[in-house]
Amino acid sequence: AQRVTQPEKLLSVFKGAPVELKCNYSYSGSPELFWYVQYSRQRLQLLLRHISRESIKGFTADLNKGETSFHLKKPFAQEEDSAMYYCALKAVRGSTLGRLYFGRGTQLTVWP
Amino acid sequence: DTGVSQNPRHKITKRGQNVTFRCDPISEHNRLYWYRQTLGQGPEFLTYFQNEAQLEKSRLLSDRFSAERPKGSFSTLEIQRTEQGDSAMYLCASSLKGDTGELFFGEGSRLTVL
Repeated sequence: AQRVTQPEKLLSVFKGAPVELKCNYSYSGSPELFWYVQYSRQRLQLLLRHISRESIKGFTADLNKGETSFHLKKPFAQEEDSAMYYCALKAVRGSTLGRLYFGRGTQLTVWP
Repeated sequence: DTGVSQNPRHKITKRGQNVTFRCDPISEHNRLYWYRQTLGQGPEFLTYFQNEAQLEKSRLLSDRFSAERPKGSFSTLEIQRTEQGDSAMYLCASSLKGDTGELFFGEGSRLTVL
């Protein structure tokens, strides 16, 4: 069964420090993976997807199929990065193509 | 604001009552999704529509839940005989058919069942 695990519920770093939000998944095959973000008092929105292989707001994420991980990284955290981050998985075959499976989220706080 | 709109934003009801939530997606989006989010958890898929056809339903969607999208535009989610366990944030999202990875979410409808 598809499953997304975000082991850290809370993560705090100081401004300028590197940050890594962990995401591990369970899926028999090659899924599509995403990071969604929810800033305070805003809607949940897409941050990045693995197939784009791009950096968004300084964040990158690499799909590691061997470790079934999709960790989100940023070398120098900023205060405006403080938000709730959700890792999400989409199946690429089967009967559940329309849905995203979300992890429970990691609340990132960047201190000044 | 041309984003996804949900109403009501908050609903408090007594156990056993019926409630209905409405979602207006982004106008050119033909896919519409309902998710449920409880405290400390990520969004959980309930169901989705492509135009007016309901294509997938989660087993979370018990027979007390029904969703419709009659004209392929707005959607309603009705919960009959509410239970305290139904208390949650109900999120609606929409997307274009060709890109089902980027969902555009509404602000959600928070349900509290007393």
